[in-house]
Amino acid sequence: AQTVTQSQPEMSVQEAETVTLSCTYDTSENNYYLFWYKQPPSRQMILVIRQEAYKQQNATENRFSVNFQKAAKSFSLKISDSQLGDTAMYFCAFMKQRQETSGSRLTFGEGTQLTVNP
Amino acid sequence: DTEVTQTPKHLVMGMTNKKSLKCEQHMGHRAMYWYKQKAKKPPELMFVYSYEKLSINESVPSRFSPECPNSSLLNLHLHALQPEDSALYLCASSQGPSPLFNEQFFGPGTRLTVL
Repeated sequence: AQTVTQSQPEMSVQEAETVTLSCTYDTSENNYYLFWYKQPPSRQMILVIRQEAYKQQNATENRFSVNFQKAAKSFSLKISDSQLGDTAMYFCAFMKQRQETSGSRLTFGEGTQLTVNP
Repeated sequence: DTEVTQTPKHLVMGMTNKKSLKCEQHMGHRAMYWYKQKAKKPPELMFVYSYEKLSINESVPSRFSPECPNSSLLNLHLHALQPEDSALYLCASSQGPSPLFNEQFFGPGTRLTVL
């Protein structure tokens, strides 16, 4: 079974600064996907960024980038130039690349509540 | 249309009531999901439908009954719920059940309160 650990229940950052959210995972799979999802106070969960484990290059999406360390099973999210709208719960998630007959599951971490202060 | 819609937004029900939650998507997605989310916790998977057939039931109590009438619509029928079932119920969809289509699109959720 896979596990995802987010060791920072809460974090805060000043507007325009940079913050890094940590995530570690445990799996015996070699191929998998990793995700960061954002859930603002309005509740709708949206995908922030995705990383395929077979890709060595770290994924980036505008102000969001990841530091993917496969050997260390670490997948941190860096948010640059933080904005007030980045205030949200951030969930790290894992999915096997190997398809199971029953379907694909996301395994979520416990989440990190990020607050961006003006 | 890249949206998953859910109705109602809020629902209050007694333990003897029967109610239904509705989820709809028009993205042509063939996998749909129900999650339960307690406050400040991650979503917990309840059910997965692939091509309108139930493919995953995470040992959910029978008082929750899912239904997928067509490829765009997903219902969750509720009956004889307990107060501990109060939570945010999220619907999601993905292009297909394969991990190749791994991005899940979430709806805004239904906030359920059981009295």
